[in-house]
Amino acid sequence: DAKTTQPNSMESNEEEPVHLPCNHSTISGTDYIHWYRQLPSQGPEYVIHGLTSNVNNRMASLAIAEDRKSSTLILHRATLRDAAVYYCILNRDDKIIFGKGTRLHILP
Amino acid sequence: DSGVTQTPKHLITATGQRVTLRCSPRSGDLSVYWYQQSLDQGLQFLIQYYNGEERAKGNILERFSAQQFPDLHSELNLSSLELGDSALYFCASSRWTKSNSPLHFGNGTRLTVT
Repeated sequence: DAKTTQPNSMESNEEEPVHLPCNHSTISGTDYIHWYRQLPSQGPEYVIHGLTSNVNNRMASLAIAEDRKSSTLILHRATLRDAAVYYCILNRDDKIIFGKGTRLHILP
Repeated sequence: DSGVTQTPKHLITATGQRVTLRCSPRSGDLSVYWYQQSLDQGLQFLIQYYNGEERAKGNILERFSAQQFPDLHSELNLSSLELGDSALYFCASSRWTKSNSPLHFGNGTRLTVT
């Protein structure tokens, strides 16, 4: 199974940028890196995904290391509504395994 | 709204019973995934279907089974229920099985076994 490693929890101040790291040293050439987040009492929500190049969308940016063994999800300006568990996963066309994720706390 | 519909939202039943959870994927999505999330646990992958065929299997118990119907909705059947089966069960759908196809999750069915 494709495995990722994330910090258990992180804190950030409201209106500050947040950088959420993920290590995936066993990534293979065709694995896409996906990020999801889960707000309290809700199902996970797709955030962003990428293969090799950095990606931006309205929610966040994804920075992928040149060797693809790590990536960083960037929330440019955190709000209280961004408090959630963030999951980094490798999507490789078969069973998609979620780890424990990073619980992000936003301080007002 | 993800477009994925799960019913029922809540289910309370007794040990030894059998229940069926239902999932309607987003319009146009061919792939359906089932996940189990126990209290303070991560998402455990159970099973995936693509266009009616089983595609991948996780640590799904033998007491659990699933299927995807011709109209692409899916059902997860849980039998001989135990207290430990109490959890949130999520369904997700994606357009294809390809790895660049994002998953879209429903809001889950909360199962309580008493």
